[in-house]
Amino acid sequence: SAVISQKPSRDICQRGTSLTIQCQVDSQVTMMFWYRQQPGQSLTLIATANQGSEATYESGFVIDKFPISRPNLTFSTLTVSNMSPEDSSIYLCSVLRQGANYGYTFGSGTRLTVV
Amino acid sequence: TQLLEQSPQFLSIQEGENLTVYCNSSSVFSSLQWYRQEPGEGPVLLVTVVTGGEVKKLKRLTFQFGDARKDSSLHITAAQPGDTGLYLCAGVTGGFKTIFGAGTRLFVKA
Repeated sequence: SAVISQKPSRDICQRGTSLTIQCQVDSQVTMMFWYRQQPGQSLTLIATANQGSEATYESGFVIDKFPISRPNLTFSTLTVSNMSPEDSSIYLCSVLRQGANYGYTFGSGTRLTVV
Repeated sequence: TQLLEQSPQFLSIQEGENLTVYCNSSSVFSSLQWYRQEPGEGPVLLVTVVTGGEVKKLKRLTFQFGDARKDSSLHITAAQPGDTGLYLCAGVTGGFKTIFGAGTRLFVKA
């Protein structure tokens, strides 16, 4: 299965600033997914990033707050803009697995704390 | 809104004990996945079950998909400290959306 490198692994940011998270996949993939994981809550899909087109955002998430780039088939970034403490969370990128065991491969996550 | 309820939310047991974690929904899923997540890492896929009533084994872990494809269980036999982690279930709907449960945090004491 694919290997995903995600960085940074963690950061502490001041409110009002922005953070860009990067994900690099070791193989070409059509779709990359960005999730948020808040303590005690389920993973929530933020958006699906497709190469060559605008990302598709889920209900409750908007491009101005979470702009996404997808310049090629192996790389994507998620920016958390104008951060507030409510944005403190783990952010994960993922890709679909190939083969019989349908599911996702995830990056190691970015633990964001906004102070 | 489709929900996946996982229970228990937290479980602390001694090494060698058996345990079962449950994942329940009122919705039907085309498949269901189980992941384990360790601190500082992303979730890692353990298994995908597809057929109602299906049972899959992965060493000491046994996964079952309910006959109606609305629920699933994960049973661990003779738990070890290495089993410690957050166990997540995720159901795939007919519209190919994946819904995650909030997870069961397992701590196995040596």
